Formats: sequence, C-alpha cells, structure tokens
Amino acid sequence: DAKTTQPNSMESNEEEPVHLPCNHSTISGTDYIHWYRQLPSQGPEYVIHGLTSNVNNRMASLAIAEDRKSSTLILHRATLRDAAVYYCILRDPRGSGGSNYKLTFGKGTLLTVNP
Amino acid sequence: DAGVTQSPTHLIKTRGQQVTLRCSPKSGHDTVSWYQQALGQGPQFIFQYYEEEERQRGNFPDRFSGHQFPNYSSELNVNALLLGDSALYLCASSRDTSGRSPFFGPGTRLTVL
Repeated sequence: DAKTTQPNSMESNEEEPVHLPCNHSTISGTDYIHWYRQLPSQGPEYVIHGLTSNVNNRMASLAIAEDRKSSTLILHRATLRDAAVYYCILRDPRGSGGSNYKLTFGKGTLLTVNP
Repeated sequence: DAGVTQSPTHLIKTRGQQVTLRCSPKSGHDTVSWYQQALGQGPQFIFQYYEEEERQRGNFPDRFSGHQFPNYSSELNVNALLLGDSALYLCASSRDTSGRSPFFGPGTRLTVL
C-alpha cells in the first residue's frame, strides 16, 4: 500500500481557513486520494476524494498537486465542530472478486480549532 | 436511512473468551469491511466481505473470523481474547462497483480484562 505522510497536529482559529497537507510520493496512477475525519468517540466520516483534478464539496476542497505527490485538504472556514483527526488515505479501487474498499489509515493530523 | 449500525456499543470480556460483534450496512450496500482501532492509532483493516465471502484480509491472526449473511449484514468473531484485543471495532459498508467511499458505523468498544 502506498504511504501517506501528515503532520501530527495543527491548530487553527475559528472562522479562518485551514490547509491540511498530505505527502504521498509513492502514489500510483490508479490510486485515489481520500480524506476522512474522525470526531471523538465516533467512526471515521468521509470528507472528500479525488484522482487528478481539484475537487469541491459542501464540506471542503481538495487541491491535488500536478505530479500527484501531494495534496491539501482545505476547510474554508473552520468551526469548533471541525476539530477532529483528519486522515489522508490512498485507495486503488480495483480488486479481485469485487471492488477494493480497503483503506490504509495512518495516524492522521489532529486539528484543534480555537474559539 | 439509518446508515451503518453496529451492536453492541460497548462490551467487556475476559481473557480467553470469545466475542461476536454485529454490523448492518447502509441501505443499498453489499460490501462490508471491519477495522480495529487501538487507542491513539488509526483504524487497521481486518477483512472485507462481498457476496458472503472474505475477499481481502489484513494482517490479523486466524482468531479473527467473520461472516456475511444473504441480507449483507456481517459478524466479526474473535476467539481466545487477549488483552491487546481491547479496541474500537469499526464496520464500514460500500456498494460494489459504485466506486464511492465506504461509510463507517459508530463502532463497538471492546474491553478485555
């Protein structure tokens, strides 16, 4: 499984933008970049994913480097509810006998949001 | 739609016992995966079930086994419990060929004494 590298922790102020970086220098051409977040005492929650182009949804934006060796999750206006551990994950959807839904989590980035 | 549901929410067992955890996937999903999350760590993939068969397996011993039923629900069984099996056990469901990212349940917190 291709590996991702994220900072252990980051801090932000409420209503300010947050840029969470992720390095994945060994990414393969078929790997999708996924972001999940996990609030305390909850299961991981899907945030966004992409392959090559930048992606936007109601939760966040995903900026993918042209060489795909790094990406950045952007929260446009952080709220206290965004305080969580954010995981950057690579997934190749191809599998044998059904699609591959295995996600390989690292330790993620603990985001603290200050009021 | 209730999303992914898991039962029980909490469980306490003693070393050597056996445990069964249950998962109902999100409506319309046919693939179930199980993860173990130790305190302070990211979730670790145990195995994935599709069409009632184990399709992929992570680096877990044979003490960890599973089953998927015709209605797509799933069970995770752990035999001969060790103290190190204490963790949050997460179930995730997906719909094969949808390409969409898995949805996770809230987990079952297992404590082994």
